[in-house]
Amino acid sequence: ETGVTQSPTHLIKTRGQQVTLRCSSQSGHNTVSWYQQALGQGPQFIFQYYREEENGRGNFPPRFSGLQFPNYSSELNVNALELDDSALYLCASSPQTGGAHYGYTFGSGTRLTVV
Amino acid sequence: EDKVVQSPLSLVVHEGDTVTLNCSYEVTNFRSLLWYKQEKKAPTFLFMLTSSGIEKKSGRLSSILDKKELFSILNITATQTGDSAVYLCAPEGGSARQLTFGSGTQLTVLP
Repeated sequence: ETGVTQSPTHLIKTRGQQVTLRCSSQSGHNTVSWYQQALGQGPQFIFQYYREEENGRGNFPPRFSGLQFPNYSSELNVNALELDDSALYLCASSPQTGGAHYGYTFGSGTRLTVV
Repeated sequence: EDKVVQSPLSLVVHEGDTVTLNCSYEVTNFRSLLWYKQEKKAPTFLFMLTSSGIEKKSGRLSSILDKKELFSILNITATQTGDSAVYLCAPEGGSARQLTFGSGTQLTVLP
């Protein structure tokens, strides 16, 4: 098992720019969920990908989009960055949907700062 | 809208004390409730609870779920400085069986 790897670990962007965050899921895991964690808050669900299709979405605007690749790695793209997008972005993989039953593995996150 | 409320928001205790952390929730299509410990970045899994009244234990930590009253508690006995962390409650539900996290309880254990 290699765990979940996220890159980059830290990132500084300017308001209005676009950013892409990456997540390599744990070997054998086909489901990836993305969460945004603002300072002092719990993680908030952005969306989930299962076998390259979006499988569910939280209350985030369309400028938050994602992809999942055939190897089940995933990207989170955020367009037109706003100051409030500054947060820790966490990726979690699981062997199937309904991850709690099968076990989620969280990555260490990408700290995004928008200035 | 799904909602999770944790209390207290923060807690400062001394080593050896016992603490109780609370979590109340309202989520659609509830499946289970998870507790996580977050020290720096990646949340670390502690417990998954699916049935009411069955206490889960792991060493000094234990947790119980009440699906009728929609709450869960996490107990930590004989606290140690290494228990200092944010403890997150996360019921699983919704269309994607996603986790809805509370804001967490910041626990600080002083020597």
